[in-house]
Amino acid sequence: AQSVTQPDIHITVSEGASLELRCNYSYGATPYLFWYVQSPGQGLQLLLKYFSGDTLVQGIKGFEAEFKRSQSSFNLRKPSVHWSDAAEYFCAVGAGGGNKLTFGTGTQLKVEL
Amino acid sequence: DTGVSQDPRHKITKRGQNVTFRCDPISEHNRLYWYRQTLGQGPEFLTYFQNEAQLEKSRLLSDRFSAERPKGSFSTLEIQRTEQGDSAMYLCASSYVGEKLFFGSGTQLSVL
Repeated sequence: AQSVTQPDIHITVSEGASLELRCNYSYGATPYLFWYVQSPGQGLQLLLKYFSGDTLVQGIKGFEAEFKRSQSSFNLRKPSVHWSDAAEYFCAVGAGGGNKLTFGTGTQLKVEL
Repeated sequence: DTGVSQDPRHKITKRGQNVTFRCDPISEHNRLYWYRQTLGQGPEFLTYFQNEAQLEKSRLLSDRFSAERPKGSFSTLEIQRTEQGDSAMYLCASSYVGEKLFFGSGTQLSVL
């Protein structure tokens, strides 16, 4: 069965600092990987996705993620965090390109001004 | 494109009561998904429809849960004889086949 681990429950960074959120997955075949962001009272919003091809994917709001098959990882990065990035971030893995997703437990990001 | 709408936003009920939630997907999206999210956890897949056909149900979905999508438009999720363990955020999402998911803001259920 597929699974996702997000080892960091909370992360605090200063505004303008770089950010890396970790995600490790378990899946038997080539995974479809996603990062979503959830702000209070808002629906989940897709930041980026990886299906195949270039292992470095660019997303919205200046985020990027790198797929590393050897490490079963799909870490999310941003070079300079803005206060509005404070939210909860979820990594997810999907099977067969569909949207039946398995999510991690999330990482709560706090941004200090 | 008005987004995915869910109603109600909040529902408080007593244990043993039945509740029904509604989801209006983005028009013309042929797939509709239900997920459940409990505090401190990521969303968990419950079920999905392609048009009016329910194609898959999670083992999480006990017999007390039923979902419908008549005419392939809006969907309802009913929980019968609610239990305190049903307290969660119920999320609806829609998409075209193979395209990205758009999530609604969810219905927060509290079972007292």
